[in-house]
Amino acid sequence: RKEVEQDPGPFNVPEGATVAFNCTYSNSASQSFFWYRQDCRKEPKLLMSVYSSGNEDGRFTAQLNRASQYISLLIRDSKLSDSATYLCVVTRRGSQGNLIFGKGTKLSVKP
Amino acid sequence: GAVVSQHPSRVICKSGTSVKIECRSLDFQATTMFWYRQFPKQSLMLMATSNEGSKATYEQGVEKDKFLINHASLTLSTLTVTSAHPEDSSFYICSAREGPTKYTEAFFGQGTRLTVV
Repeated sequence: RKEVEQDPGPFNVPEGATVAFNCTYSNSASQSFFWYRQDCRKEPKLLMSVYSSGNEDGRFTAQLNRASQYISLLIRDSKLSDSATYLCVVTRRGSQGNLIFGKGTKLSVKP
Repeated sequence: GAVVSQHPSRVICKSGTSVKIECRSLDFQATTMFWYRQFPKQSLMLMATSNEGSKATYEQGVEKDKFLINHASLTLSTLTVTSAHPEDSSFYICSAREGPTKYTEAFFGQGTRLTVV
């Protein structure tokens, strides 16, 4: 079983749609959780950290359920510029902060 | 945000030759840097963790004699792909953490697209 698993996608949605990304992780001792965004043939960039209490940043809402080892990202009112691959990322407990990436879910927002 | 510079961005080399990729943190000191590899339509796979002044820690299945990592200073880590083969063709990317703890944001270099012919 992979350490981080995500919806395979791709997701093709119209502008203004709400999109939900799901992610599960296998290591119950995973310590920190993030969503990164990667544009085609570019480096990943941090979108937001994910906290146990859930957190929101504008149109983006992230949630973490440690009991279920589940992470989610919700994008509301999607824009064309949201088109990218969204990567679920965790760090291993006891590591030096190694980021372990999911395969990513590609999102295409259409006009 | 902090800047991590990776060079070269693209390289084509012949089978059997070696290629060196540099990763620099431009405006902060990075005690630890990470090297990843990404094949098309696949996730970023951690190859190794590079520690300044000590040996790198490699992930299972990554050949340390083939992928030589050197972290000689707090701002520079290098990855050398030795005796490159076509199957080593991939997108190699480094990252570094700005702060002293594992909870701070990691910044990524722009990546190096290696093609072995």
